[in-house]
Amino acid sequence: DSGVTQTPKHLITATGQRVTLRCSPRSGDLSVYWYQQSLDQGLQFLIQYYNGEERAKGNILERFSAQQFPDLHSELNLSSLELGDSALYFCASSVRGATEAEQFFGPGTRLTVL
Amino acid sequence: QKEVEQDPGPLSVPEGAIVSLNCTYSNSAFQYFMWYRQYSRKGPELLMYTYSSGNKEDGRFTAQVDKSSKYISLFIRDSQPSDSATYLCATSPSGSARQLTFGSGTQLTVLP
Repeated sequence: DSGVTQTPKHLITATGQRVTLRCSPRSGDLSVYWYQQSLDQGLQFLIQYYNGEERAKGNILERFSAQQFPDLHSELNLSSLELGDSALYFCASSVRGATEAEQFFGPGTRLTVL
Repeated sequence: QKEVEQDPGPLSVPEGAIVSLNCTYSNSAFQYFMWYRQYSRKGPELLMYTYSSGNKEDGRFTAQVDKSSKYISLFIRDSQPSDSATYLCATSPSGSARQLTFGSGTQLTVLP
């Protein structure tokens, strides 16, 4: 158990809908990262937050957005869902400093868009 | 061309064998190198973490980084059936943003 929690574990929804994925980082970790894992694209970085502020953006679609709250939990919002958005979504967290590259992953949310 | 290339396998070895997993990368800015293990449909688990070039050993696992050739390796000694999983290499640049760039993963099966 990495100490990172994600809810829900599974999500099944229809095209055009909007969903929210939630992540709680390990105790004391200030950075939260979101990744998407699909069969064709592998594991890809979406966005990073550090202590409530956006730190870096990867290949995140405009239909996707995220935020990190004062209690450090984070939410990833996916809207106008398409079939191609079906994937595993992982959250990872890390501490600040030289070891910040060490990221610990949650169990993921499996999103199925029908 | 992907920034991190990894042979997807699959790789099948007998129990007790030494396993060698490899990645190459193209971006000279990458300074941190990691290996993750991922069981089917689970979150990636951090196995090894190294900074810059050199070797790091942890039990049966040894990670090697050669920045001159942009080559990353993971060796597993005395492999066990429980090592059967997908192994992902990952890299990160220095600086304030430490997003990981992953290889595509190598699927390993250790046969009893």
